[in-house]
Amino acid sequence: EAGVTQFPSHSVIEKGQTVTLRCDPISGHDNLYWYRRVMGKEIKFLLHFVKESKQDESGMPNNRFLAERTGGTYSTLKVQPAELEDSGVYFCASSQVSGALDGYTFGSGTRLTVV
Amino acid sequence: LAKTTQPISMDSYEGQEVNITCSHNNIATNDYITWYQQFPSQGPRFIIQGYKTKVTNEVASLFIPADRKSSTLSLPRVSLSDTAVYYCLVGDGGYNKLIFGAGTRLAVHP
Repeated sequence: EAGVTQFPSHSVIEKGQTVTLRCDPISGHDNLYWYRRVMGKEIKFLLHFVKESKQDESGMPNNRFLAERTGGTYSTLKVQPAELEDSGVYFCASSQVSGALDGYTFGSGTRLTVV
Repeated sequence: LAKTTQPISMDSYEGQEVNITCSHNNIATNDYITWYQQFPSQGPRFIIQGYKTKVTNEVASLFIPADRKSSTLSLPRVSLSDTAVYYCLVGDGGYNKLIFGAGTRLAVHP
């Protein structure tokens, strides 16, 4: 079984540019989550999709962040325009059922550096 | 999710047993205790979960006393590849999200 795949693994962009991160969850996992760790901080929840619907986007920092999951398969997270404080590692996770603390599978993350 | 407290860092040597204790005084009746492991440049990975007493799998053991206000993750005979950050999470999953603390950074030395 393929795991959660994230692309790119690294991205370096200039302040003000746009970046789009992609996550391919495990096939058949209806639940998809985005998390991020910014420098020196803890891993924080961003949002949760159930299929193509946003179940919880309470962790999205501001309206420069837009997450989509068209068709309920892969998801994208776009940052536009990027700011310096957006630098960090963005993780995607998927699960077959929601609510089970032991059911999350994480990708390796995308390291975003905004200069 | 219940607030958890665990050491910021620990050091060990290859072949030793490592015990990481997590305090969760406000654990609720329906809460489970779940541990994730994160290697450098990777995402967190589930390693073990328990409710009470002892749970053991191929990776670790989890010891939970009767009052459930703390738990201990035990890694037998660690190797260099066990160097990672270990997160203790406590909850019943009702929030549909994981809330990570700072975790315990374990460094295993030759």
